[in-house]
Amino acid sequence: GESVGLHLPTLSVQEGDNSIINCAYSNSASDYFIWYKQESGKGPQFIIDIRSNMDKRQGQRVTVLLNKTVKHLSLQIAATQPGDSAVYFCAEKTNQAGTALIFGKGTTLSVSS
Amino acid sequence: SAVISQKPSRDICQRGTSLTIQCQVDSQVTMMFWYRQQPGQSLTLIATANQGSEATYESGFVIDKFPISRPNLTFSTLTVSNMSPEDSSIYLCSVPGLGDNEQFFGPGTRLTVL
Repeated sequence: GESVGLHLPTLSVQEGDNSIINCAYSNSASDYFIWYKQESGKGPQFIIDIRSNMDKRQGQRVTVLLNKTVKHLSLQIAATQPGDSAVYFCAEKTNQAGTALIFGKGTTLSVSS
Repeated sequence: SAVISQKPSRDICQRGTSLTIQCQVDSQVTMMFWYRQQPGQSLTLIATANQGSEATYESGFVIDKFPISRPNLTFSTLTVSNMSPEDSSIYLCSVPGLGDNEQFFGPGTRLTVL
């Protein structure tokens, strides 16, 4: 089977390392793909998004890559910090008015000092 | 961004009872979404609630089990009826932002059913 970009439920990294979190999405008609961060006891918070007509978008310390051929999304966090420890979810959405985000499986990122 | 509050933040309930969760938004929104997050799992959409119309439920969720009210543009309630331990989850309300892809979430209500 395909080994590139396997989703892992947990990821442990050392402070300062780069982290890569992967996600597979289901709907080829989705127009937006979004990464959310959920800290313990809180609701999800927006990190970064990417439109379906793009394959890469960079933010502050984060980069999202989109591969529509294999329906794969990844989030790269540079110089990971202890404050990045959380559960990360990918989500997808169409442009259709009134539609809600559909979430993928989460990855728990643990950053040790 | 929208500021969303939920009440209660957590509760422990007995099997067979019902709990109503409140969601308050600091701005007027036409649409609100209710999600369930089972322990260690991702978020699953329960229903979409538009002010002035019946809520639209996703597959696997029914109005008798999860009745929703939407009395005005800043408030909604979700009731979890006739609870069983399988209903133990975090319930989150969410509203769209100004952009096509923005969606803001409340802090969630952590429900434990004994």
